[in-house]
Amino acid sequence: EAQVTQNPRYLITVTGKKLTVTCSQNMNHEYMSWYRQDPGLGLRQIYYSMNVEVTDKGDVPEGYKVSRKEKRNFPLILESPSPNQTSLYFCASNRGQGSYNEQFFGPGTRLTVL
Amino acid sequence: GNSVTQMEGPVTLSEEAFLTINCTYTATGYPSLFWYVQYPGEGLQLLLKATKADDKGSNKGFEATYRKETTSFHLEKGSVQVSDSAVYFCALRPVGNEKLTFGTGTRLTIIP
Repeated sequence: EAQVTQNPRYLITVTGKKLTVTCSQNMNHEYMSWYRQDPGLGLRQIYYSMNVEVTDKGDVPEGYKVSRKEKRNFPLILESPSPNQTSLYFCASNRGQGSYNEQFFGPGTRLTVL
Repeated sequence: GNSVTQMEGPVTLSEEAFLTINCTYTATGYPSLFWYVQYPGEGLQLLLKATKADDKGSNKGFEATYRKETTSFHLEKGSVQVSDSAVYFCALRPVGNEKLTFGTGTRLTIIP
């Protein structure tokens, strides 16, 4: 089954404790991205990757890092989480090469930073 | 820059009512337009899309028409069901760019 998986689905942590949210897709997609969803703000892009070893900032990259060492994986790293990073996070992927291609979303990771 | 403005929610309707969720956009050229749906506890799923002016996207009884003259992509359904209760997001993707720009979302609740 074609899918995007994220882990963990739920995470409660404390300020300053480094964490990683994993994302993996099994569709051989080139393009992957991370979004955060906040009430009243919709989804905002954090980082994206056009292919292996190619990443770039989205609209709200501060406080986040990403890496793309393999085509299927695109982890999101919070080196020193803060309470304002409490949010619902989604990973997405698509084939790229055309603005009509569907983006597939993971199930989401709900993060709470105390 | 690109932006999407959609109808503020929440929206509550009775079963079998007619639904309209308004969406307007700002972008240069001819972006592709999308409606995504998010059911409780799940990720976003593509509901329908349109890639050029006057295209009509449709799926599961929902429709939306790409109106370049009014820069709109309103979502409609003739008779809603309880199972349509979800959050609906309008989004655009510029030509030659993979990034999606989303509206703020509209929460829809259908009561029996």
